[in-house]
Amino acid sequence: AQSVTQPDIHITVSEGASLELRCNYSYGATPYLFWYVQSPGQGLQLLLKYFSGDTLVQGIKGFEAEFKRSQSSFNLRKPSVHWSDAAEYFCAVGADGNKLVFGAGTILRVKS
Amino acid sequence: GAGVSQTPSNKVTEKGKYVELRCDPISGHTALYWYRQSLGQGPEFLIYFQGTGAADDSGLPNDRFFAVRPEGSVSTLKIQRTERGDSAVYLCASSPRLAKYNEQFFGPGTRLTVL
Repeated sequence: AQSVTQPDIHITVSEGASLELRCNYSYGATPYLFWYVQSPGQGLQLLLKYFSGDTLVQGIKGFEAEFKRSQSSFNLRKPSVHWSDAAEYFCAVGADGNKLVFGAGTILRVKS
Repeated sequence: GAGVSQTPSNKVTEKGKYVELRCDPISGHTALYWYRQSLGQGPEFLIYFQGTGAADDSGLPNDRFFAVRPEGSVSTLKIQRTERGDSAVYLCASSPRLAKYNEQFFGPGTRLTVL
């Protein structure tokens, strides 16, 4: 069965510092991978997605992610974090039947 | 344009009661999904519709849960004989059509509390 692991429950970074959020997936075939962000009281918003092709994908708000098949990873990165990036981030894999299987999420706190 | 809307935003009920949660998808979106997000967890799939029919209801936890989409637009998630373990945020998402390449657009959720 498909699964997603986000090893870090909480991460704190200083404003302006770089960010990397880890995601590992388990899926037999070529995965469809997603990163969503959830702010308090808001719905999940798609940051970026990977289906095929270039393994480095660009998303909104300056985020990018790199698909590494050999490591079953799809880590999210941002070179310089802004205070408004504080939120919860979810990695997801597109599973059989078009459902999404999500990780447990990583809460990002930004120090000023 | 308007996004996915869900009503109510909060629902408090007593154990054993019946509740209905409503989802209004983005106009024209044919695929609709329900997920449940428990505290400290990521969303978990419950059911999805293509048009009026449930294409996959494998995520519904038991027969107390049921969902309908009679006209292929608005959907209602129904929970009978609620239990404290049903407390969670119920998320609805819609997509232009049923395909893995399509983004799922999420609503803000309904927070259900069962006392």
